[in-house]
Amino acid sequence: DIQMTQSPSSLSASVGDRVTITCQASQDISNYLNWYQQKPGKAPKLLIYDASNLETGVPSRFSGSGSGTDFTFTISSLQPEDIATYYCQQYDNLLTFGPGTKVDIK
Amino acid sequence: EVQLVESGGGLVQPGGSLRLSCAASGFTFSSYWMSWVRQAPGKGLEWVANIKQDGSEKYYVDSVKGRFTISRDNAKNSLYLQMNSLRAEDTAVYYCARDRRYGDYGHAFDYWGQGTLVTVSS
Repeated sequence: DIQMTQSPSSLSASVGDRVTITCQASQDISNYLNWYQQKPGKAPKLLIYDASNLETGVPSRFSGSGSGTDFTFTISSLQPEDIATYYCQQYDNLLTFGPGTKVDIK
Repeated sequence: EVQLVESGGGLVQPGGSLRLSCAASGFTFSSYWMSWVRQAPGKGLEWVANIKQDGSEKYYVDSVKGRFTISRDNAKNSLYLQMNSLRAEDTAVYYCARDRRYGDYGHAFDYWGQGTLVTVSS
């Protein structure tokens, strides 16, 4: 089974800050990785697919990069509405989510 | 507008059974893989099972194999999850999600329902 890790598990940043989250797979998954945003009490929302492709309608301040085992998710300028938990998810072998990164405003 | 509406959650005793339903609208249901994803209280997301467009392929996370069965009725635009031999650790919000496939290998959960809570407790 492919295991996914994320760091940090939580972070606090100021409005306008650049925020970076990393996701690591236990084996090479090429670019078979997606990123989701989940706001409290809501269903997850797809933000990035295939490691770096922005889903239609998602603001351009969100971006993703990486391939193989190491991936990065970035919010270029944190906004109050970005308060949420962010999950990576691999689909190379079945489907596995990372443990999530909770993002708060400082 | 794509809509996924889950139902069927509730309180059930350990060892009991429950059947979840997901009513889909706003897209051609029979053209998409579909999945169930769950989230235990205060925890992360866990994919549970998925099913091919015609029901010919089904996959499960190891922890539910032999206890849960995913199925669909394309005539009714509906997805189901039959859950048997329920355990306390199955307590979670269960989401229905559209499983978008593209290209040779692409996949993403592009639409989600609002979820239905299953509580397994005596």
